[in-house]
Amino acid sequence: EVQLLESGGGLVQPGGSLRLSCAASGFTFSSYAMSWVRQAPGKGLEWVSVSGRSGGSTYYADSVKGRFTISRDSSKNTLYLQMNSLRDEDTAIYYCARGFGNSYGYFDYWGQGTLVTVSS
Amino acid sequence: QSALTQPASVSGSPGQSITISCTGTSSDVGGYNYVSWYQHHPGKAPKLLIYDVSNRPSGVSNRFSGSKSGNTASLTISGLQAEDEADYYCSSYTSSRTWPFGGGTKLTVL
Repeated sequence: EVQLLESGGGLVQPGGSLRLSCAASGFTFSSYAMSWVRQAPGKGLEWVSVSGRSGGSTYYADSVKGRFTISRDSSKNTLYLQMNSLRDEDTAIYYCARGFGNSYGYFDYWGQGTLVTVSS
Repeated sequence: QSALTQPASVSGSPGQSITISCTGTSSDVGGYNYVSWYQHHPGKAPKLLIYDVSNRPSGVSNRFSGSKSGNTASLTISGLQAEDEADYYCSSYTSSRTWPFGGGTKLTVL
């Protein structure tokens, strides 16, 4: 059974940093692109970033480019999101999602999410 | 503001068909056949309904269908059922190598 378990969320002050983790199981982690998607309170889904299967290709939404870094460790079957210079508008539930088939941009399995709150 | 524009809400009665539009530009929807649609019941994980404009993953009901004309993609749900009440999101590959979602459409089954 495919499982994605996010962790690392919490309360952080504006300008602070946080690292999210997504532990994957039930599939060959290194065979799939992996993404982060977020949902701010009362808002819609927002694609944040994607990492290709090897981690060599990474892409970001303009809203986080230069502040967030996606990475993965295939030895630990874990996806990460390093978030720096956090802003109020980064407050959201952050989901990790598995790429569908060979795609970077379609997602067939999602975690339950971890809440990040940026507030002073 | 979302790069892809969806109506905020649509509604229909059980058994009817509804269509949700997703309007972009030639740099996203109109330029690539990489459009997807998701169903999201609050508190649950989003579900992939359509990929590559009109393909359904295994297990998705054939009541869901997708299409595209120019810069606008559409999701049609036929034979509406009460359990179809949810939020629906489109997404498209863009020339900037991003995959934004639309703003989402709340479907109400009357």
